Amino acid sequence: KQEVTQIPAALSVPEGENLVLNCSFTDSAIYNLQWFRQDPGKGLTSLLLIQSSQREQTSGRLNASLDKSSGRSTLYIAASQPGDSATYLCAPKPMNYGGSQGNLIFGKGTKLSVKP
Amino acid sequence: EPEVTQTPSHQVTQMGQEVILRCVPISNHLYFYWYRQILGQKVEFLVSFYNNEISEKSEIFDDQFSVERPDGSNFTLKIRSTKLEDSAMYFCASSEGEFSEAFFGQGTRLTVV
Repeated sequence: KQEVTQIPAALSVPEGENLVLNCSFTDSAIYNLQWFRQDPGKGLTSLLLIQSSQREQTSGRLNASLDKSSGRSTLYIAASQPGDSATYLCAPKPMNYGGSQGNLIFGKGTKLSVKP
Repeated sequence: EPEVTQTPSHQVTQMGQEVILRCVPISNHLYFYWYRQILGQKVEFLVSFYNNEISEKSEIFDDQFSVERPDGSNFTLKIRSTKLEDSAMYFCASSEGEFSEAFFGQGTRLTVV
């Protein structure tokens, strides 16, 4: 059964810093991995989708990497801003979920606070 | 930009009552999902739906739950007889393809009293 761990659970940084959020998953048999942000009491906003055949995916100040064989993904945020404050969730889509095509399995997230 | 729309944003219901949560997925998407998040916990998968039938469901999705696509635009989650432990934020999501990016709605906060 796929387990997803995100470290650190919380992170507070001053504005302008570059930072890395970590995600690890126990079963490397995945189709892809998606990163989301969640603002308090709100829905999930998709940030990046990285397919299992890809190593990296970039969108603006965000860069996600995937090392499927070691079960790790990182989300790099460059030049952080107070508006980046949110909880960041990673969610791999496993190949082996009840024998079907799978669904997203979420970590608990990293709560990021960027101080002005 | 197209988005997944959920109504209502907040619903309060008495234990034992039936509730229907509504979603309008993105129009050209073919795969639909329901997830839930109990306060302070992980987002959990409930069910996926494709080609007018359930393609996968979790152990949470028992006989009290059902999904339906009653017309070409809506996707609903029905809870037949709500329990206190059904209190959670329920998210609808959709994707264009099986392995495409999933887009989530803003959620319906269900409170069972």
